[in-house]
Amino acid sequence: AQKVTQAQTEISVVEKEDVTLDCVYETRDTTYYLFWYKQPPSGELVFLIRRNSFDEQNEISGRYSWNFQKSTSSFNFTITASQVVDSAVYFCALSEAITGNQFYFGTGTSLTVIP
Amino acid sequence: GAGVSQTPSNKVTEKGKYVELRCDPISGHTALYWYRQSLGQGPEFLIYFQGTGAADDSGLPNDRFFAVRPEGSVSTLKIQRTERGDSAVYLCASSLFGGGGAPDTQYFGPGTRLTVL
Repeated sequence: AQKVTQAQTEISVVEKEDVTLDCVYETRDTTYYLFWYKQPPSGELVFLIRRNSFDEQNEISGRYSWNFQKSTSSFNFTITASQVVDSAVYFCALSEAITGNQFYFGTGTSLTVIP
Repeated sequence: GAGVSQTPSNKVTEKGKYVELRCDPISGHTALYWYRQSLGQGPEFLIYFQGTGAADDSGLPNDRFFAVRPEGSVSTLKIQRTERGDSAVYLCASSLFGGGGAPDTQYFGPGTRLTVL
């Protein structure tokens, strides 16, 4: 069973628009960690954020914000005032304490920001 | 500081050949991971090292795949009798600590694109 679902395969927005990338996860573990990574065309995965299952507080970092809701098993990522440099594939990942360090990645959302 | 490095960046080989892919983790990171990423997919876990030992190799697809980390730093992923289906980008990541309970953030290298003809 897919542990992380990113239902949006591709999204296109015009520069300066806000965009939200969805991530839904599935786990039976009570202790788990969620991550977002950015993969630009160069290919290298860039770490964006790490959250644990006990901290549902939303987080904002510049134009990026994350909404973690355990009730809906979602960890969505919003980019405000998008820029062309935000164009990339974004991956959500889950790590469960019970299985240790194995990361389960979603299939990614390809974001294109049109100038 | 230097990030995770991987060599070669690209590898083209013929079906049936043997290949080695190298990963140099961030200095001081004790945990090292290998993933495989096929086109349009997210990375899939292959193996995890804590120090010199393979702590979890449950993701290796079959016995043609093997990885080592003899001195607890550089790791080599080895693929024997390559098949066309092995074509993918092989990603390496490292983290400061490993162990269960509270997984550390993994930092990824640029990957090695393997093409099996």
